[in-house]
Amino acid sequence: KQEVTQIPAALSVPEGENLVLNCSFTDSAIYNLQWFRQDPGKGLTSLLLIQSSQREQTSGRLNASLDKSSGRSTLYIAASQPGDSATYLCAVPYNTDKLIFGTGTRLQVFP
Amino acid sequence: NAGVTQTPKFRVLKTGQSMTLLCAQDMNHEYMYWYRQDPGMGLRLIHYSVGEGTTAKGEVPDGYNVSRLKKQNFLLGLESAAPSQTSVYFCASSITSGRFRSNNEQFFGPGTRLTVL
Repeated sequence: KQEVTQIPAALSVPEGENLVLNCSFTDSAIYNLQWFRQDPGKGLTSLLLIQSSQREQTSGRLNASLDKSSGRSTLYIAASQPGDSATYLCAVPYNTDKLIFGTGTRLQVFP
Repeated sequence: NAGVTQTPKFRVLKTGQSMTLLCAQDMNHEYMYWYRQDPGMGLRLIHYSVGEGTTAKGEVPDGYNVSRLKKQNFLLGLESAAPSQTSVYFCASSITSGRFRSNNEQFFGPGTRLTVL
């Protein structure tokens, strides 16, 4: 069964730092991976969808990479801002119709 | 486009009461999903639908029923609420399923916070 792990569970950094969030999955037979952001008390916002044929996907200050062979994805946030404070979740498709989610990394960026 | 909307936003029930959560999407998506989110458990799939008139069980379907009478709406019902169903419920939709690779990006609603006393 696919399992998705995110490390660290929580991260607190000063504004301006570049940071990396990690996502690991046990079954490498995935065809894409999705990163989400969740603000407290809110729903999930899709940030990036990276296909298995891609190694990287970029959106503004965000860059997601995918290494299927090692079962890893990273989300790189450049020049972090207090507005980036949120929980970041990764998810992979399982049994074609379902997403399996990691438990998230709670990020706090302080001024 | 409103995207995915959910009603109500909050609800408190007593054990044994019933209720229906409504999800609506205006993106003409085929697939719709209901998840629950609990501390330390992450998001878990309750039921999903691959098109109008269809439903299927997810990871934690017990105690819930769903209906997809119209393509844009997906209803989640609790017939006899239990305290274990206290959670935040999220609805999501996608163009197609995971098998179509590029079109399975899921879009989420704002959630319904349900407390069962």
